[in-house]
Amino acid sequence: EPEVTQTPSHQVTQMGQEVILRCVPISNHLYFYWYRQILGQKVEFLVSFYNNEISEKSEIFDDQFSVERPDGSNFTLKIRSTKLEDSAMYFCASRAGTSGVETQYFGPGTRLLVL
Amino acid sequence: DAKTTQPTSMDCAEGRAANLPCNHSTISGNEYVYWYRQIHSQGPQYIIHGLKNNETNEMASLIITEDRKSSTLILPHATLRDTAVYYCIVRVGGTYKYIFGTGTRLKVLA
Repeated sequence: EPEVTQTPSHQVTQMGQEVILRCVPISNHLYFYWYRQILGQKVEFLVSFYNNEISEKSEIFDDQFSVERPDGSNFTLKIRSTKLEDSAMYFCASRAGTSGVETQYFGPGTRLLVL
Repeated sequence: DAKTTQPTSMDCAEGRAANLPCNHSTISGNEYVYWYRQIHSQGPQYIIHGLKNNETNEMASLIITEDRKSSTLILPHATLRDTAVYYCIVRVGGTYKYIFGTGTRLKVLA
C-alpha cells in the first residue's frame, strides 16, 4: 500500500541553524501539507501546497519557513534559522485531490530537536 | 478552532467494542467527517470517513446520526494495539486543512 515517507526520522540542530525536512508524498497525489506537533500538544496545520504554490498557511508559518517541491517526488520544509520553540514533530501529508477524494495521508514524522 | 468535540478519555476492555462519540453540530451539508488515530507520537493514521450513510471498513465502523450533528466510531473488538488518541475531524469550510482538536485518548485494558 502506498504511503508517505519522511526523512530524517530524527534531527538535532543548534539554534540558528537551517534545517530541511524531506517528504515523499504518495505518487499521483496533488496536494501536500505540513503539520507540526509540539510535545504534549495538538497537531497544528502549517501550510498546504498545490500546483507549485502555497494554497494556505497558518500564522505559525512565518518568513522563517518555506516549502518547495524541487522535483517530481520530494516535498520539503525548510526552517531558515531555527529557534528553541521549533522543537516538535513535523508531519507531512498528501491528498489525491481527484474525484472529490479528500482524505489526507500522513507520514511517520520527523522529530526535530533544537538545542 | 476545531469544529468537533470529543470526550477527553475512555477506557475499553480488550475484546469489547469501543464506541467513540463525536459532536459536530455545525457541520454543513457537504462536509465529510474523518476519523484518524495517533499512536504515541506517530503520524495520524486514517481510519474512516463518511458523509451521511454509515460506513464500515476493515478497521472500524462509522455511525452518523440522521441530522449529521454527531457520529460514533466503533472498533468492534478492541485490542491493546488500539490504545491511541482518536481524532474526529471536519474540514474548516472552504479549505482542505485539518484542524485537530484534543481527541479522545482511548485506553484498551487487558
